[in-house]
Amino acid sequence: AQKITQTQPGMFVQEKEAVTLDCTYDTSDPSYGLFWYKQPSSGEMIFLIYQGSYDQQNATEGRYSLNFQKARKSANLVISASQLGDSAMYFCAMREGRGGNTDKLIFGTGTRLQVFP
Amino acid sequence: KAGVTQTPRYLIKTRGQQVTLSCSPISGHRSVSWYQQTPGQGLQFLFEYFSETQRNKGNFPGRFSGRQFSNSRSEMNVSTLELGDSALYLCASSLVSGGGTDTQYFGPGTRLTVL
Repeated sequence: AQKITQTQPGMFVQEKEAVTLDCTYDTSDPSYGLFWYKQPSSGEMIFLIYQGSYDQQNATEGRYSLNFQKARKSANLVISASQLGDSAMYFCAMREGRGGNTDKLIFGTGTRLQVFP
Repeated sequence: KAGVTQTPRYLIKTRGQQVTLSCSPISGHRSVSWYQQTPGQGLQFLFEYFSETQRNKGNFPGRFSGRQFSNSRSEMNVSTLELGDSALYLCASSLVSGGGTDTQYFGPGTRLTVL
């Protein structure tokens, strides 16, 4: 069965430092998409980055990059140059299939990131 | 372009009542999905709609239902509310271009409290 595991309930990082948030997944479908979302205390889920299972290169979006290791079934989020505004919950999610048939996302339990000055 | 909007943002109901939540997707987006978020269960998929048809449903009782209108706006309804239905209900929309990179964009959520 498809599953997302985030083993870090909480992480601390100093401003301007880089931080890695871990995510492992389990699926038997060769075609899938992996997403990271940020959820501030306001509650809205903010899309950060996407990685497709067939993508050859790791995804990057500004200060966010995804360390995709397919054989290990991991999709870690790297945030470079952390800012105070990065303090939030971060969720890893997976969609099986190539999209177009379903948008259903399976979420991990999240990691609470706190950035301190 | 306006984002996903959800109304109302906050709602307080009592056990046994019913509630309807509304979601307006991003303009041009044809798929709408609903999720329930609670401290105990985390984020759980409720259902998704595309072209007014439910194409996937999560493991929730029949008290939870939804629909999508021709303009892609969606509503979800919960009947006979229980205390455990207290949660943040999130709506998300996507373009459904047929490619693999379709991303779901979420609204701000409706926080439902059942007393």
